Amino acid sequence: DVKVTQSSRYLVKRTGEKVFLECVQDMDHENMFWYRQDPGLGLRLIYFSYDVKMKEKGDIPEGYSVSREKKERFSLILESASTNQTSMYLCASSPWTGAKVEAFFGQGTRLTVV
Amino acid sequence: AQSVTQLGSHVSVSEGALVLLRCNYSSSVPPYLFWYVQYPNQGLQLLLKYTTGATLVKGINGFEAEFKKSETSFHLTKPSAHMSDAAEYFCAVVKAAGNKLTFGGGTRVLVKP
Repeated sequence: DVKVTQSSRYLVKRTGEKVFLECVQDMDHENMFWYRQDPGLGLRLIYFSYDVKMKEKGDIPEGYSVSREKKERFSLILESASTNQTSMYLCASSPWTGAKVEAFFGQGTRLTVV
Repeated sequence: AQSVTQLGSHVSVSEGALVLLRCNYSSSVPPYLFWYVQYPNQGLQLLLKYTTGATLVKGINGFEAEFKKSETSFHLTKPSAHMSDAAEYFCAVVKAAGNKLTFGGGTRVLVKP
């Protein structure tokens, strides 16, 4: 079974904290993605990576950074968490021929910033 | 830039009734199209996809969708709703030469007994 694992299901952090969300995939996929999910807005792409150490900004990268030091792991970093970053975060992966092949998603991390 | 519009953020259907979820996209070239489903407290899983070939696509759990290029639509249907279909459904597109999914706003389906 293909698997994308996010390290936490629920997180509560304080305003100003540096927050790390971790994602690991076991499918040897080249592409990995971080999305943010908010009611009525669907999923919005924050960042994606198509190879180790490679990254591209998505639609809403402000306030976030990412790290991909190993192929299987993609981390999302909130440099200084703010209350407007309270949301559900979803990680996904796909092979490099991703256009025709679906992305596989983790179960999500619900982050609350207080 | 491509975008995806799902008409109706909430849909309520009776068990056994037709489920119809609407999706329209805007893109300079026909993209690849996907429907995903999200059950409560879970990630997204693929229902079906259209890349090339037959425009009527069948997916899991009795769902199907038809790609209509002239209408830039990819509506999702199921002839007879089941209680287990209660979930949120997302339409998504990706450019043929790309690998980034663009999602619609989602439609939450409620199934009434």
